[in-house]
Parts: sequence; structure tokens; C-alpha cells
Amino acid sequence: EVQLVESGGGLVEPGGSLRLSCEASGFTFSYYTMNWVRQTPGGGLEWVSAISTSTYHLYYADSVKGRFTVSRDNAKNSLYLQMDSLGDDDTAVYYCVRGGLKFDFDFWGQGTPVTVSS
Amino acid sequence: QSALTQPPSASGSLGQSVTISCTGTSSDVGAYNYVSWYQQHPGKVPKLLISEVTKRPSGVPDRFSGSKSGNTASLTVSGLQAEDEADYYCSTYAGRDTYVVFGGGTKLTVL
Repeated sequence: EVQLVESGGGLVEPGGSLRLSCEASGFTFSYYTMNWVRQTPGGGLEWVSAISTSTYHLYYADSVKGRFTVSRDNAKNSLYLQMDSLGDDDTAVYYCVRGGLKFDFDFWGQGTPVTVSS
Repeated sequence: QSALTQPPSASGSLGQSVTISCTGTSSDVGAYNYVSWYQQHPGKVPKLLISEVTKRPSGVPDRFSGSKSGNTASLTVSGLQAEDEADYYCSTYAGRDTYVVFGGGTKLTVL
């Protein structure tokens, strides 16, 4: 059974940093592009970042480019998101999501909430 | 990276059909056959319903179907059931610079 378990969310002040982690199991992690997708309090989904199997290709939404850094450790079946210079607009539930071959998202973790507030 | 445009709400009666639109541009929806649709019930995580415009993953009922014409993709739910009441989101690949964009979501109400 595919499982994606996020951790690392929480309350952080504006300008602060957080590092999210996602531990994967039930599939060959190194074979898949992995993504972070967030859902704002208003309910909308926003794709945040993607990392290719070999980490050679990294992709970011314009809204987080230069502030967020995605990484993975295939030996540990883990995905990470380093988030710096956090602002109010970054408040959301962050999902770790497995990417399909056709730019679809076929398995989602339960999400970890991030709240940016003073 | 502009979000794709979806109607905020849609509704239909039990047993009827409803279609939800997802409008993009010639740079995203119109350029690639990589439109996906997701269903999200309250308090649950999104579930993949349709990929590559028309393909249903295993386990998704054939009441759900997808299509695309030009810059607009559509999700049709036929034979509406009470459990279809949920939020629906579209997404598409939009090229290497943008990667993926989502629609704003549509709340489907089954009357």
C-alpha cells in the first residue's frame, strides 16, 4: 500500500523558516517524480514544487521560487521542502504527492499544516 | 502562473448529468493533453479521477468522463449520486517553466 507521511509543519512567524519532510513507503520511491502541493485556507490547490527521480530537475511555482528548496533522499525514501522567508500567503496544508508519468498526481499524503502568523 | 478558470459551483439532480468546465490558454490546456481532474470530499485528500484528458485510473467509475476542446477541458459526471457531492479541481501541465497549474475548484451539489 502506497503511503506518504508528511511532518514538520507548524506555527512560524513571518520571515521564519520550516523544513517539511515526507516519508514514502509501499512503492519504489526512486522511480517517481515527487511533488509538494498546498491547499490554502480558502480551499484552492496550488502546485508548489517538483523534483525528478535523480534530483537533476527541480521545478518551483513562481510564488515560492527563491524561497523554497525541494530535495530528496532516495536511500531514505524521503522528500523534503525547505521553506525560508515565509509570509502570510504561505499558510496552507502542504501535501506530499507522487507524480505520475503524465503530470498527474496519483497518491497524496494526509498533509501537514503550516501557519505563518505573528 | 495563472490558475485555470473553473465555475465556483455546479449542481445537478440525482441521476442527471453535470459538466464542469476548466478554461486555460493555448500555453497550457490547449498545448498539452495532460489535463487531470481530482475529487475532494470535505476533510479528505484529493483523489485522482481523470488523467491525460480522458483516462480513468483503476477503480474510478465510468460515470466520470473527461474531454477537451481547444483551451477548455471538461469533466462530466453522469448518473449523479449523492456521494458525488464534493469539490472538483482540474490541473494541467503547462511547460517546463510553469510545470503544473490548478483550477480554482468547483463545488458540486447534488440536489
